Amino acid sequence: KAGVTQTPRYLIKTRGQQVTLSCSPISGHRSVSWYQQTPGQGLQFLFEYFSETQRNKGNFPGRFSGRQFSNSRSEMNVSTLELGDSALYLCASSLAILANTGELFFGEGSRLTVL
Amino acid sequence: DQQVKQNSPSLSVQEGRISILNCDYTNSMFDYFLWYKKYPAEGPTFLISISSIKDKNEDGRFTVFLNKSAKHLSLHIVPSQPGDSAVYFCAASNDYKLSFGAGTTVTVRA
Repeated sequence: KAGVTQTPRYLIKTRGQQVTLSCSPISGHRSVSWYQQTPGQGLQFLFEYFSETQRNKGNFPGRFSGRQFSNSRSEMNVSTLELGDSALYLCASSLAILANTGELFFGEGSRLTVL
Repeated sequence: DQQVKQNSPSLSVQEGRISILNCDYTNSMFDYFLWYKKYPAEGPTFLISISSIKDKNEDGRFTVFLNKSAKHLSLHIVPSQPGDSAVYFCAASNDYKLSFGAGTTVTVRA
């Protein structure tokens, strides 16, 4: 079956702009989580959605937001981009609410560069 | 505040030898621990996990050890193979949140 699909794979923005990233989970998966990966910081949890509701949120400013649609596809938005937002943004899906066993299926990520 | 720490950013090991990756955590409420593996230009993939009620879990060449009193987790890869060269992330779960370490880059030398 198809894996987690993220678009776009690469994008370049300038400071102050906003960006929207998209994630299509594995068919049948209802939970979608977003992570930010930067060198030396590992994967930082942004938020998780299940059945169109945000269930958990990490420690990121309000410029970072997301949503989930009825077909489980999710988008995340970053407004007023800063240089420090340059990172790989990873989406992961799972069958249940961030299955407490933690087994997630990740997409290949969206590489954002802010100039 | 990093609740999960991987203090070794890199590890180089000869093919056929054992790779030992270490991970420390601070939150005693973590109840599930996992290792993920990541190749360049790919998303992380789940490797192996262990529940906090166990101290060892084995899957083929991969074994994870958990020392709850020391809040320490380790991953052993025996024998190491060239295809094991990747970034390995330690992760811990509680309250339906996953916390990841910064990753250890493993290079297996032929």
